[in-house]
Amino acid sequence: GAVVSQHPSRVICKSGTSVKIECRSLDFQATTMFWYRQFPKQSLMLMATSNEGSKATYEQGVEKDKFLINHASLTLSTLTVTSAHPEDSSFYICSARPTGGRTSYEQYFGPGTRLTVT
Amino acid sequence: GESVGLHLPTLSVQEGDNSIINCAYSNSASDYFIWYKQESGKGPQFIIDIRSNMDKRQGQRVTVLLNKTVKHLSLQIAATQPGDSAVYFCADRSWGSNYKLTFGKGTLLTVNP
Repeated sequence: GAVVSQHPSRVICKSGTSVKIECRSLDFQATTMFWYRQFPKQSLMLMATSNEGSKATYEQGVEKDKFLINHASLTLSTLTVTSAHPEDSSFYICSARPTGGRTSYEQYFGPGTRLTVT
Repeated sequence: GESVGLHLPTLSVQEGDNSIINCAYSNSASDYFIWYKQESGKGPQFIIDIRSNMDKRQGQRVTVLLNKTVKHLSLQIAATQPGDSAVYFCADRSWGSNYKLTFGKGTLLTVNP
């Protein structure tokens, strides 16, 4: 149980276009999901907290108009990278916190999406 | 802001040896700590966690030690196997942070056969 999927796993897009990444909790509901970005040989950096039915909370330095987050249901959050540029190329990872989980600490990670902007 | 860091960026061990990966954290409000394993091109995989009211916790072949006095966390892997080769991250959460995790820099563990 507690599986999180991401789609696509890899995407290549041209500079200036937009790309949407999906994060799904497959066997549980998640009121809260998190989006991270990871550059090569670096750690995960939290970009934003996605809350079902409300606006996402962005970390300092993350442009909310560039990284659009929509948490439309209890099992799906999407991250859209708008007007992508080569410097947006990165590994994007989501995690999901089960609604009413056993503890307040549970958080399950997706497999990541590799974005390459050419 | 506060962050979780690591002493060693790389660690190379022989198969069968015990591995120790260290982590220093700076946020005195941190109340929960997790170790993750990340293989190349994959998302983080939960290994073991510990709450701030504990000093030690054991799992299968893994032990996490927490020293709140010096804000230090370690992950011990017994009888390290080639399949343990990966990057290991510690992460912490502080009370009232809305469940947000702060990740350390990571340590690349290489297990030589």
